Amino acid sequence: SQQGEEDPQALSIQEGENATMNCSYKTSINNLQWYRQNSGRGLVHLILIRSNEREKHSGRLRVTLDTSKKSSSLLITASRAADTASYFCATDEGGRGGSEKLVFGKGTKLTVNP
Amino acid sequence: GAVVSQHPSRVICKSGTSVKIECRSLDFQATTMFWYRQFPKQSLMLMATSNEGSKATYEQGVEKDKFLINHASLTLSTLTVTSAHPEDSSFYICSAPGTGVYEQYFGPGTRLTVT
Repeated sequence: SQQGEEDPQALSIQEGENATMNCSYKTSINNLQWYRQNSGRGLVHLILIRSNEREKHSGRLRVTLDTSKKSSSLLITASRAADTASYFCATDEGGRGGSEKLVFGKGTKLTVNP
Repeated sequence: GAVVSQHPSRVICKSGTSVKIECRSLDFQATTMFWYRQFPKQSLMLMATSNEGSKATYEQGVEKDKFLINHASLTLSTLTVTSAHPEDSSFYICSAPGTGVYEQYFGPGTRLTVT
């Protein structure tokens, strides 16, 4: 079942602007991850945030997690054309602790125009 | 980082034939691997969990007799799409957990087209 729901489904911005993508989920989780997928390729892990964390940074990426609202956001600052890709959130299933099964959201297709 | 490979990257087959897709962990061992399918412009749907030395665990709605999974070794899992039909055309992706509890490494995917 698809737990994560990304918003927006598609986002088009200019290079240098920031891009914000949101994800909502339904069950309790141990962690939430964000992945990136270039068209027709596999997924690349970007960042993981644990349920007891509220914010995490990695380079130009900033992830927030609000477990009370069951939502997360991914912010890409100073975007580049190379950031063009689809971005997915993924949660571990059912909060079973250490479960390796991931449930993916529908994804946000980001286009960064040069 | 850890690398997962898939072979073939693309395959075109005729209706009624079977196709085997391999997923390999190249520099680490994986007692568990996951198989996903992804339709165009959609998200990844988990199909099954491949377990080394035991039967695969299939997600609800996935036909185990149609999608045969064999986890023959600690570095190899195969997915065989039997009697393929055009509706099986999809992007199939495998993943394997890394050494950390939450790390997962994804293969590059296999594009299957059934004519």
